[in-house]
Amino acid sequence: SAVISQKPSRDICQRGTSLTIQCQVDSQVTMMFWYRQQPGQSLTLIATANQGSEATYESGFVIDKFPISRPNLTFSTLTVSNMSPEDSSIYLCSVVAQGEDHNEQFFGPGTRLTVL
Amino acid sequence: GQNIDQPTEMTATEGAIVQINCTYQTSGFNGLFWYQQHAGEAPTFLSYNVLDGLEEKGRFSSFLSRSKGYSYLLLKELQMKDSASYLCAVLDSNYQLIWGAGTKLIIKP
Repeated sequence: SAVISQKPSRDICQRGTSLTIQCQVDSQVTMMFWYRQQPGQSLTLIATANQGSEATYESGFVIDKFPISRPNLTFSTLTVSNMSPEDSSIYLCSVVAQGEDHNEQFFGPGTRLTVL
Repeated sequence: GQNIDQPTEMTATEGAIVQINCTYQTSGFNGLFWYQQHAGEAPTFLSYNVLDGLEEKGRFSSFLSRSKGYSYLLLKELQMKDSASYLCAVLDSNYQLIWGAGTKLIIKP
């Protein structure tokens, strides 16, 4: 299994500012994922963060808006840049790790972001 | 395109049984997951199916038919704490998880 922590757990930010979200895993993992979940909706993958290379972004998400760092196998950051109210969402860090019988996707507790 | 369909919302009575269906069309298939997500919390793993048939785990069971692109999650002896959203997700040929929009399950006394 994998235990994931995220900081901050929540924040209220002003339009135009940036927020960096940290994700720490208790074991070394190859792939880390950043998701966004807007109220009442399912998970939307922002990007996959691989250690030692640039993150891979999904359609609709760009590096300038959501820069990601992955300095080692247990840590990653996601920055939400030049925020607008549309960025208000829950941001979730996730990893794939060995579960009881097979690989599972584990999630951090999420960062609830409100942009005014 | 890739698509996961599941009902938006279901209501059931405490102590009863409910079945949440999921149909999928994806580029390849490497397994199907069900996750539970309580309001304001992160998703937590419930089950994984990669072969056809039924997987039982306590009060929860999950069924898969790969030929039909169909799965269901069966919850028995419903408890109030089972009120949550249930997310169906398929691992495609690139080992990318494709997520459904989730089914909000409301349990009434």
